[in-house]
Amino acid sequence: DQQVKQNSPSLSVQEGRISILNCDYTNSMFDYFLWYKKYPAEGPTFLISISSIKDKNEDGRFTVFLNKSAKHLSLHIVPSQPGDSAVYFCAAMPASGTYKYIFGTGTRLKVLA
Amino acid sequence: DAGVIQSPRHEVTEMGQEVTLRCKPISGHNSLFWYRQTMMRGLELLIYFNNNVPIDDSGMPEDRFSAKMPNASFSTLKIQPSEPRDSAVYFCASRPGLATGELFFGEGSRLTVL
Repeated sequence: DQQVKQNSPSLSVQEGRISILNCDYTNSMFDYFLWYKKYPAEGPTFLISISSIKDKNEDGRFTVFLNKSAKHLSLHIVPSQPGDSAVYFCAAMPASGTYKYIFGTGTRLKVLA
Repeated sequence: DAGVIQSPRHEVTEMGQEVTLRCKPISGHNSLFWYRQTMMRGLELLIYFNNNVPIDDSGMPEDRFSAKMPNASFSTLKIQPSEPRDSAVYFCASRPGLATGELFFGEGSRLTVL
């Protein structure tokens, strides 16, 4: 049973528009969340993270929102660019000092020029 | 600085053969992870090392899988004998220290067992 779920396997967005990638989790003990981006034939690369003490973290075009009551996080990319086309994984882990990153199965984003 | 280095990038072998995947973590990182990626299950943790010591190998599928970390700059994941269901992309990742934070992934080793 997946503790971290990315229910949309794929998403297509026009260049310049907003991309919203969603992630749901079931374990209330998770309190640190990360997003990774993966291009074909490459390893995942870190994008942005958020701790449960926050509900928003922003880094340039990328913003992650966390709704703890709903056990839901989302990644917003504004504006979307063709180079953002990749697979995006969300990951969750319990309290700091551990190693149990639980990854979702990924969402493939395609940004159309 | 070099990232996490994995070899081989691609491996095609026949069922029953031994497969060895190699990983060099980022210098100074004392946590090392082996993951397996499949379409059905996504990224699954196989084994976690801290300071070269295996801490959690509960994700290793069965006795055919073994992993070692003889020193801080090298780790291997071995499958013997290999089976077609082992076909996947295997990622090595490292992280500095014990605190939460990003994992740094290698480019992966794509294994195909015929």
